[in-house]
Amino acid sequence: SSELTQDPAVSVALGQTVRITCQGDSLRSYYASWYQQKPGQAPVLVIYGKNDRPSGIPDRFSGSSSGNTASLTITGAQAEDESDYYCSSRDSSGHHLVFGGGTKLTVL
Amino acid sequence: QVQLVESGGGVVQPGGSLRLSCAASGFTFSSYGMHWVRQAPGKGLEWVAFIRYDGSNKYYADSVKGRFTISRDNSKNTVYLQMNSLRAEDTAVYYCAKERTTGATIDYWGQGTLVTVSS
Repeated sequence: SSELTQDPAVSVALGQTVRITCQGDSLRSYYASWYQQKPGQAPVLVIYGKNDRPSGIPDRFSGSSSGNTASLTITGAQAEDESDYYCSSRDSSGHHLVFGGGTKLTVL
Repeated sequence: QVQLVESGGGVVQPGGSLRLSCAASGFTFSSYGMHWVRQAPGKGLEWVAFIRYDGSNKYYADSVKGRFTISRDNSKNTVYLQMNSLRAEDTAVYYCAKERTTGATIDYWGQGTLVTVSS
């Protein structure tokens, strides 16, 4: 079983704001990274560290963290944001990587 | 630009072996740790293994420990995953992935190679 917990599915109206959360004890010690994956494609990094975006990722994507919960926020969701989103961090041992179960985002 | 190209996937019988390769280009391969991550059909991402930039440390998920071995050849810019004693539950797309720096962030992924374990 995953040490990071995500809601399986979330929906948002076009242009509205949505928050996707990730819970786990390791998040008290380590930042989460967030990945977007579209069907048949490899994941793409969208947020890492405290709240950093790789080059080319729109600034409507942001990250935050509090206690054992990390969040990915999309402000003004677009149709192309409809994807699966995965969080990850180190596990409690500090040596392994762990992924959340993923959240399927639907843009209505 | 960074490119990661996996190869070596295919169909193998339960109990069999397979070696995956990942050819890297577009960055200084010998300076970065590398991961293997897999995704079973219709399922989420599962971390498999990690090797430090110089090969000095290797880490494995409990589900593959003792059966899989990660290695690298910095002279060939290639990382490998030797998979032995394969089981049906190992069926997945296997992604090679580059670590961003230190820390646990993956910044580039390959397109993946499919491994099917079936009789």
